[in-house]
Amino acid sequence: DAGVIQSPRHEVTEMGQEVTLRCKPISGHNSLFWYRQTMMRGLELLIYFNNNVPIDDSGMPEDRFSAKMPNASFSTLKIQPSEPRDSAVYFCASTLRPRFPVGHMNTEAFFGQGTRLTVV
Amino acid sequence: RKEVEQDPGPFNVPEGATVAFNCTYSNSASQSFFWYRQDCRKEPKLLMSVYSSGNEDGRFTAQLNRASQYISLLIRDSKLSDSATYLCVVTFWNQGGKLIFGQGTELSVKP
Repeated sequence: DAGVIQSPRHEVTEMGQEVTLRCKPISGHNSLFWYRQTMMRGLELLIYFNNNVPIDDSGMPEDRFSAKMPNASFSTLKIQPSEPRDSAVYFCASTLRPRFPVGHMNTEAFFGQGTRLTVV
Repeated sequence: RKEVEQDPGPFNVPEGATVAFNCTYSNSASQSFFWYRQDCRKEPKLLMSVYSSGNEDGRFTAQLNRASQYISLLIRDSKLSDSATYLCVVTFWNQGGKLIFGQGTELSVKP
């Protein structure tokens, strides 16, 4: 398996433009996470999906951010309009969530290489 | 209060030193615990799981104290190659498998 694939790897855009980040999770994984990483705030969970359904989007900073998962093999994170403070590295991760989690479950999350977004 | 908290460091230690990282979490419900490692400008990768009885993997030892809601990672005989950021991670199963990362502790091992 190629692992979690994110595109683009780098994106430079002007303030006000729409930005779409893409993620292909590992085949067979049923949970997908979007994170944003900055020096100041570390790795912040934006939204996560189980079986393509959004479970918690409370980490999405503003209405300018939206995420979709139309099928098990693809997700997008969209920022519209983008602002300079959105500049960060955006990571997508996937894992296999057990149907009935009990106690400790060794469920490793695999990350994509990230998209480095710069809004100027 | 953040759900998972770590001392951000940085920790600067000489080769061969023993170093310990700590992490606290705020939710006492069903969870799994992990330590991840992140190298500069790379994605985080799993270092080791943390089991209730404590577990060891070579020079690395992880401990869990559920009563105090506390996780630790001990690195013995540190190597130059251990320089990285170490992230404490908690999966909250009562929240649909929500995966929360601590801010990370930066470690720099010097010759």
